[in-house]
Amino acid sequence: GENVEQHPSTLSVQEGDSAVIKCTYSDSASNYFPWYKQELGKRPQLIIDISSNVGEKKDQRIAVTLNKTAKHFSLHITETQPEDSAVYFCAASDNYGQNFVFGPGTRLSVLP
Amino acid sequence: DGGITQSPKYLFRKEGQNVTLSCEQNLNHDAMYWYRQDPGQGLRLIYYSQIVNDFQKGDIAEGYSVSREKKESFPLTVTSAQKNPTAFYLCASSMRGQGQPQHFGDGTRLSIL
Repeated sequence: GENVEQHPSTLSVQEGDSAVIKCTYSDSASNYFPWYKQELGKRPQLIIDISSNVGEKKDQRIAVTLNKTAKHFSLHITETQPEDSAVYFCAASDNYGQNFVFGPGTRLSVLP
Repeated sequence: DGGITQSPKYLFRKEGQNVTLSCEQNLNHDAMYWYRQDPGQGLRLIYYSQIVNDFQKGDIAEGYSVSREKKESFPLTVTSAQKNPTAFYLCASSMRGQGQPQHFGDGTRLSIL
């Protein structure tokens, strides 16, 4: 089955700097890759997603890139703010959209 | 996502007791999911259902059971066979098909008395 790895597990950046989180997946049939943000004790919330027919997608300060050949995708956050501090999860969806496999998460801390 | 309601928010289980966690959605989503999240960990899939009256085991189904009698509802029962039930339980739903994101409820935190 699918296996998703995520790095780093923790990341600290200064406010205003950029943050990059990388995920790799194992199943070449996976074709949908969402990113979720989870604040402490709250629900994960979708922040951006990408499908396999696109190499990059951007939404204001957040962007996701996908390299299907290498089977990895990355989340980029520019001009980080303290409210970006949270745990971020990547996920990969199988070809039928029936099941998501989540990465273990990255705890991002944005220092003022 | 206000369309997915989990209850209760906190739940305590006595040894040997079965408890049921509720998940209701009004998003008209076909697919529903249950995840377990342990402190500092990712999400592990317990069960999922793509249509009414059908569901599939996830990676950690042992000690849990579900039903899907209505499209809107997907309750999870944590049985006495689950020896380590203390965790944060998240319910999610999505449209069927490729490229459909999952939307999560606020979760239920289950503890052992």
